Amino acid sequence: DVKVTQSSRYLVKRTGEKVFLECVQDMDHENMFWYRQDPGLGLRLIYFSYDVKMKEKGDIPEGYSVSREKKERFSLILESASTNQTSMYLCASSLVLGEGAEAFFGQGTRLTVV
Amino acid sequence: AQSVSQHNHHVILSEAASLELGCNYSYGGTVNLFWYVQYPGQHLQLLLKYFSGDPLVKGIKGFEAEFIKSKFSLNLRKPSVQWSDTAEYFCAVNERGYQKVTFGTGTKLQVIP
Repeated sequence: DVKVTQSSRYLVKRTGEKVFLECVQDMDHENMFWYRQDPGLGLRLIYFSYDVKMKEKGDIPEGYSVSREKKERFSLILESASTNQTSMYLCASSLVLGEGAEAFFGQGTRLTVV
Repeated sequence: AQSVSQHNHHVILSEAASLELGCNYSYGGTVNLFWYVQYPGQHLQLLLKYFSGDPLVKGIKGFEAEFIKSKFSLNLRKPSVQWSDTAEYFCAVNERGYQKVTFGTGTKLQVIP
């Protein structure tokens, strides 16, 4: 069974803090993704990575950066947290997308910025 | 750029009613399409996926979907819903050959016993 593990279920941070969200997958997947989920807006892609040290911006990358130093780990960084970054953050991983591959999701991290 | 539209935001059904949720995508090329479900308090899990071939796709828990290329759609169906189907349902699209997956805004389904 594929497992995608996010380091925290709940986080509370102060405005201006630097925040790290960590994600680890155990299935040797090439792709990893970070989404944020907000009511009525669905899942919006922040960044994705298709290989170690490779990354691409998603639809809403402003205010975020990512790091992928090892294949199994993908970190999302909020350089200076703001209240509008309060959200549920979802990490996912997949094999190279083609016929048959699908994304597997972690449990999510609910981040509150106060 | 790929995008996905889910027109039903909130659907309320009685048990045993039939379900159909709409999903339309914008990309004109070859796509991979997915339906995911998120039960309350749980992570997203795959219901079904369409890549090619038979346009009628069967998924888990009695769900199925029909791909209609001319309408750029993959509508999700279930003949008879149960209270346990109460969840949020997301459609997603991936352009073939590109590694980005774009999700719709989701449909909340509430099944009344």
